[in-house]
Amino acid sequence: EVQLVESGGGLVQPGGSLRLSCVASGFTFSSSWMHWVRQAPGKGLVWVSRIDGDGSPTIYADSVKGRFTISRDNAKNTLYLQMSFLRAEDTAVYYCARDYYAGLDIWGQGTMVTVSS
Amino acid sequence: QSALTQPPSASGSPGQSVTISCTGTSSDVGNYNYVSWYQQHPGKAPKLMIYEVTKRPSGVPDRFSGSKSGNTASLTVSGLQAEDEADYYCKSYARSNNFVFGTGTKVTVL
Repeated sequence: EVQLVESGGGLVQPGGSLRLSCVASGFTFSSSWMHWVRQAPGKGLVWVSRIDGDGSPTIYADSVKGRFTISRDNAKNTLYLQMSFLRAEDTAVYYCARDYYAGLDIWGQGTMVTVSS
Repeated sequence: QSALTQPPSASGSPGQSVTISCTGTSSDVGNYNYVSWYQQHPGKAPKLMIYEVTKRPSGVPDRFSGSKSGNTASLTVSGLQAEDEADYYCKSYARSNNFVFGTGTKVTVL
């Protein structure tokens, strides 16, 4: 079965760090470009970051540049998002998704990140 | 990068058509044929409905169609069905290696 499963979300204090993981199965992960997308409660979708199949290059939204790092381990079929210097406005459900001709055709179920003291 | 502009809501009766617009600029929608559309039901992950402006992934009904003119892309849902009631988002590739989503449109089937 083709699927993506995120984990690693939770409650973190402002200024803290968190690492999200996304495990892929059912498709050739190593040749797939991958994205992170987030959605604040009751709000719209926001693109966060993309990584190419071999790990480079990586690109980021301005709002997370310098604070978030996207990476991958193709041997483990796993995508990561290392989030640092977290702010209240980073509170959201974070989705990983596979790139398909610049569309996103496979999505995970999402993992909730709450930044609060 | 500012979000693409979509109308907050759209509606139609079963069997009718509804068209959702997605307005950007020459730095995104107007300059690239990488516009995609997503359907999202409450509490669920988004689903890809259209990619590269007009193409439908396997399994998406042909009631869903996409187009683009200048800086505005559009999604048309023909023959509205109850299960089409959802939020819809457009997304475009943008200059300087970015991607941007639209503000989202809630479609109601009357």
